[in-house]
Amino acid sequence: DIVMTQSPDSLAVSLGERATINCKSSQSLLYSSNYLAWYQQKPGQPPKLLIYWASTRGSGVPDRFSGSGSGTDFTLTISSLQAEDVAVYYCQQYYNTPDTFGQGTKVEIK
Amino acid sequence: EVQLVQSGAEVKKPGESLRISCKSSGYRFTNYWIGWVRQMPGKGLDWLGIIYPGDSDTRYSRSFRGQVTISADSSITTAYLQWSSLQASDSAMYYCARAPSGTSVPYYFDRWGQGTLVTVS
Repeated sequence: DIVMTQSPDSLAVSLGERATINCKSSQSLLYSSNYLAWYQQKPGQPPKLLIYWASTRGSGVPDRFSGSGSGTDFTLTISSLQAEDVAVYYCQQYYNTPDTFGQGTKVEIK
Repeated sequence: EVQLVQSGAEVKKPGESLRISCKSSGYRFTNYWIGWVRQMPGKGLDWLGIIYPGDSDTRYSRSFRGQVTISADSSITTAYLQWSSLQASDSAMYYCARAPSGTSVPYYFDRWGQGTLVTVS
């Protein structure tokens, strides 16, 4: 199975500042595109799709969220952190079944 | 509007069987995969398996193969996750989620159910 490793496990960012989450896969996720998605999970809610194909924003996702990277190294950036962005963020590879998720990164307000 | 509505919370005893459901609406059920994801209390997301209702192609994580059964009934646009003998370690929140289909492969999860809490005690 492909192992997904996120860093850091948690981070605290001031309102309006940038938050950056990294995700590394144990093998390349690049075929014709990068088979990598990002999800946001707020307390008591199911996960919500933020980014797919490594850099395509999901429906209705604010443009302060962006995804980048290729191959084995990927980044989710929140350009200007808002209070409603407090959540746990997960990366997921769908290059191979079983799909696998990163362990999650908790984002809080400093 | 696309919706995935899961069955309600369950409290079971060890050794009992259980089937939870995920009712889909607002899209062509047979054209998307439906996957199941476990979240144990305070923990991350575990991918259990996935089914393509169009041809019943079903895939399991090695960790969960033989422990759970995934099925779907296209006539009522409902997917199921089933246990024949629950253990305390099965206590968790279980989510169903829809995945667009590539060439015989599922992609990312673009819609999620609200979750079903299973407690085994």
